[in-house]
Amino acid sequence: NAGVTQTPKFQVLKTGQSMTLQCAQDMNHNSMYWYRQDPGMGLRLIYYSASEGTTDKGEVPNGYNVSRLNKREFSLRLESAAPSQTSVYFCASRRGEGEAFFGQGTRLTVV
Amino acid sequence: AQSVAQPEDQVNVAEGNPLTVKCTYSVSGNPYLFWYVQYPNRGLQFLLKYITGDNLVKGSYGFEAEFNKSQTSFHLKKPSALVSDSALYFCAVRDTGRRALTFGSGTRLQVQP
Repeated sequence: NAGVTQTPKFQVLKTGQSMTLQCAQDMNHNSMYWYRQDPGMGLRLIYYSASEGTTDKGEVPNGYNVSRLNKREFSLRLESAAPSQTSVYFCASRRGEGEAFFGQGTRLTVV
Repeated sequence: AQSVAQPEDQVNVAEGNPLTVKCTYSVSGNPYLFWYVQYPNRGLQFLLKYITGDNLVKGSYGFEAEFNKSQTSFHLKKPSALVSDSALYFCAVRDTGRRALTFGSGTRLQVQP
């Protein structure tokens, strides 16, 4: 059972470059999320998707866009990367009001 | 808005001693509360949750948490710590508006042999 799969695991970008982080879940969950983790700040919600076809902003959406491609896949795009976006990014999925399941994370460095 | 506070950046405990990792919350309505653990270079793993029912919730790896409505707390506990429990622990609360989880800043648990 794969759960939540994120690619890539590591990425180094130059300022101004773009990239897309991929996420897929095989648990048939309706809700999917993108969080970023920074030291001392816990996890902060970037965007979420309550169901296929819908996306909404979280706490820190600036500089990001998302696509809920289908029920399984939820991608996060950085159009023009900035050093402030250096972080560890986690995708998660959830059924109803239960616990969320997390991917292994993408460690992104913007130089 | 919902929020959680983890007042301790780090907790140190000797192996075999009981451990407590503190969490307080602020919500409107009924609280849905969660604890997660993160080992180095890994994602978050679910430990336990409180939605309704008994105030003492049992979870994975021998952990438990006590829900206290009057003190708005949901402290994580374990009767006897193991070195392998050393990790980063996050408390989270349901965000009813966004249907997501809002996380605390995390507490690093160090268990010394």
